[in-house]
Amino acid sequence: ETGVTQTPRHLVMGMTNKKSLKCEQHLGHNAMYWYKQSAKKPLELMFVYSLEERVENNSVPSRFSPECPNSSHLFLHLHTLQPEDSALYLCASSQGRGDEQFFGPGTRLTVL
Amino acid sequence: GQNIDQPTEMTATEGAIVQINCTYQTSGFNGLFWYQQHAGEAPTFLSYNVLDGLEEKGRFSSFLSRSKGYSYLLLKELQMKDSASYLCAVEGGSTLGRLYFGRGTQLTVWP
Repeated sequence: ETGVTQTPRHLVMGMTNKKSLKCEQHLGHNAMYWYKQSAKKPLELMFVYSLEERVENNSVPSRFSPECPNSSHLFLHLHTLQPEDSALYLCASSQGRGDEQFFGPGTRLTVL
Repeated sequence: GQNIDQPTEMTATEGAIVQINCTYQTSGFNGLFWYQQHAGEAPTFLSYNVLDGLEEKGRFSSFLSRSKGYSYLLLKELQMKDSASYLCAVEGGSTLGRLYFGRGTQLTVWP
C-alpha cells in the first residue's frame, strides 16, 4: 500500500459518541497533519506533528484529541462533538519545510 | 493575520487558457503551493514556487512575485478533466510545513 490512507472514509456519529479517525503514511515522512475542510471555507490546519511531537495546536476545541504513536500513524479521537463539526477531515504528511504535502482521501464526518 | 485571496469561481472552454490569481499576506514566507482538488477527493500537488519567476510543468505553469505578494496558476489546452477546485497555499510562520490555504477557485471547463 502506498501514499496516505485514512479510515474510515465515512462516519456518522451522535453527539454523545466517541470515535477515532486513523491515518497512516507509507512515505517515510517526518511530519503529519490534520486538516478540517468545511463547505465554502479554506482548509483549516488543526494539528501538526513533527517526529511524533506535536508542534502546533491551532486553537482546536478539546473535543478533538490527536495522537501520534509513531511517525507513520496519526489518530484523531473525537468525543461529544457538535453538528458544526461535520466536515471532511484530511490527513497529510510531508518530509519537511518547502516540501509538498501528500493528502489522504479524507474522512467525511457527519454529526447528528 | 494571514490572508490568502483567490477568485471563487472561473469558467473556460476546452482548449482555452485560463489564469487563476492568488494574492497573499502572511507573517512569513517559505514558498507557495498550488493544489488541485476534484469534488470528493483529496488535494493533489501541482506546483511549488519559492523564488520569483515562472515554473513550467507540462500544461500547467505557476508564477510568483514575492515583492507583490502575488502568484498565478496558468492552465493551457484546457480539458474537461481540469474542472476542479484549485487551492493556493502559502507556507509561512515558524512551524514546519505550516500552510495557509485560500478558499479555492472552482474552475468549470465547458465543451
